[in-house]
Amino acid sequence: KQEVTQIPAALSVPEGENLVLNCSFTDSAIYNLQWFRQDPGKGLTSLLLIQSSQREQTSGRLNASLDKSSGRSTLYIAASQPGDSATYLCAVRPMEYGNKLVFGAGTILRVKS
Amino acid sequence: DGGITQSPKYLFRKEGQNVTLSCEQNLNHDAMYWYRQDPGQGLRLIYYSQIVNDFQKGDIAEGYSVSREKKESFPLTVTSAQKNPTAFYLCASSIYENTGELFFGEGSRLTVL
Repeated sequence: KQEVTQIPAALSVPEGENLVLNCSFTDSAIYNLQWFRQDPGKGLTSLLLIQSSQREQTSGRLNASLDKSSGRSTLYIAASQPGDSATYLCAVRPMEYGNKLVFGAGTILRVKS
Repeated sequence: DGGITQSPKYLFRKEGQNVTLSCEQNLNHDAMYWYRQDPGQGLRLIYYSQIVNDFQKGDIAEGYSVSREKKESFPLTVTSAQKNPTAFYLCASSIYENTGELFFGEGSRLTVL
């Protein structure tokens, strides 16, 4: 059964720092991996989608990498800002389940001004 | 603008009552999903539907029911059989492909009094 783990569970950094969030999954047979952002009391906003054939995706200050063989993905946030404070979740789409995603529990990020 | 609309945003229910949460999308997506989110836990899949008039149980379907009469709409009914219904409910959709990106609505918070 596919399991997704995110480390750390919470992270607090000063404004301007570069940071890395980690996501690991137990089964490398996936179609893709997606990173989301969630603000308190809100829905999830899609940040980046990496297909299984890709190694990384970039959007603005965000860069996500995927190493399928080791079951790992990282989300790199450059020059963090207080507005980046949120919960970040990763999810994989396992080949075993078809059209369903498996989510990690998330990393709560706080960027201090 | 294209998106997913959930209503109501907040809902209070007395024990023993059924309630229905609405989810409408105008993204022309085939697949729609209902997730439940509890504090400290990852998202758990309740039901999903890949095409009209067809849906499958997710990991925690007991006490819930759905219908998919139209492509745009996927309402979720929380029945009195659901033992612990207080939670944040999220609706999502994607194209009917294993590589499709998942998009979420803003969520509905249900509280049982």
